[in-house]
Amino acid sequence: AQSVTQLDSQVPVFEEAPVELRCNYSSSVSVYLFWYVQYPNQGLQLLLKYLSGSTLVKGINGFEAEFNKSQTSFHLRKPSVHISDTAEYFCAVIHFKAAGNKLTFGGGTRVLVKP
Amino acid sequence: EAQVTQNPRYLITVTGKKLTVTCSQNMNHEYMSWYRQDPGLGLRQIYYSMNVEVTDKGDVPEGYKVSRKEKRNFPLILESPSPNQTSLYFCASSPPPTGKTYNEQFFGPGTRLTVL
Repeated sequence: AQSVTQLDSQVPVFEEAPVELRCNYSSSVSVYLFWYVQYPNQGLQLLLKYLSGSTLVKGINGFEAEFNKSQTSFHLRKPSVHISDTAEYFCAVIHFKAAGNKLTFGGGTRVLVKP
Repeated sequence: EAQVTQNPRYLITVTGKKLTVTCSQNMNHEYMSWYRQDPGLGLRQIYYSMNVEVTDKGDVPEGYKVSRKEKRNFPLILESPSPNQTSLYFCASSPPPTGKTYNEQFFGPGTRLTVL
């Protein structure tokens, strides 16, 4: 079984400042890793994913994440945030043989960008 | 446009009144799932379906039913809703996993359910 921990439930940050959202996972098998974003009153949008290869993954809207196998982490970063980045962010993992193609999600991190 | 649609988007109901939330996808995907999202818990899978007439329980199936009579539709049924089923519900669809590549799951816009 897999589990995902997002270490911060809320992250306030000033506009144009950098932000890092932390994600750690636990799994006895190899997994794929994802970050999703949920803007207010909207559905889930895939930001980026790690399947294999380079451990630094670039996504949409200037976000990037680094997969660290030894630390079982997949932290999300953005060097300079905008007001429009205010949203909830979810880290998720999946094993390619997961029953029902089930994604296991973390509890989410709310990012509030202040002017 | 490829999409997953859910109806209704918002629903307020009372304890015990049966309801159905519909989910439809136009991508001819075999796999479909229902998740519920609760504060601090992220999304948890309720039920999934691997194809027509093939469904199975996810992590939190209690109090829910599903059916898959057609490939495009995967309704979520609450026979006797209770307040602890107040949540945000998402439907998702994808092609089946191949074991070599990951096929992205597409999520619907969500249904916010309140059970009084």
